[in-house]
Amino acid sequence: QKEVEQNSGPLSVPEGAIASLNCTYSDRVSQSFFWYRQYSGKSPELIMSIYSNGDKEDGRFTAQLNKASQYVSLLIRDSQPSDSATYLCAVNSPPRPTGNQFYFGTGTSLTVIP
Amino acid sequence: EAQVTQNPRYLITVTGKKLTVTCSQNMNHEYMSWYRQDPGLGLRQIYYSMNVEVTDKGDVPEGYKVSRKEKRNFPLILESPSPNQTSLYFCASSPLLGNEQFFGPGTRLTVL
Repeated sequence: QKEVEQNSGPLSVPEGAIASLNCTYSDRVSQSFFWYRQYSGKSPELIMSIYSNGDKEDGRFTAQLNKASQYVSLLIRDSQPSDSATYLCAVNSPPRPTGNQFYFGTGTSLTVIP
Repeated sequence: EAQVTQNPRYLITVTGKKLTVTCSQNMNHEYMSWYRQDPGLGLRQIYYSMNVEVTDKGDVPEGYKVSRKEKRNFPLILESPSPNQTSLYFCASSPLLGNEQFFGPGTRLTVL
């Protein structure tokens, strides 16, 4: 059973539209949630982190967390062609004495059409 | 410049020939981790370390070793590489447990 599930896409939106990316996770006691962006051939880079229920906004990006539904989403407003990338959802496990693990979804490919 | 560096960036080797991929960070981060990324499988954690001399297995540790003798370095060792270890490898570091991770540029490994 996968820990973190994402729709692989591809998701296509026109420039200026809102892109909505979704993620569900299986471990109810997960505590920290992250969205990374990965351009083709590059390493993942952090976009947003969210730790408590509700919305968190940063510029054109809004992360939403619903722990009861085990659901995390990322909204990208006013989508730009430069937002075209694969978006990875990540969740960390509750800490163990030796640290904690991270689980990533397989990513959603987003294309913003000019 | 704050960064995570990996070497080599590209490596082609043969089955059974021991290799080490180095990872170094200059941000004084406690937490470091190795991932492999494969098409359709996403990023999977191999090993992680919360501090010097403290390491633990991730989801796919078989065939890999790590060590954390210094805070800044976290090498990944493949004692006897096999073709199924052909993959794109990323090292990452984080200042705190459960916190945002910063990724290195990646190492593309091919085992023939």
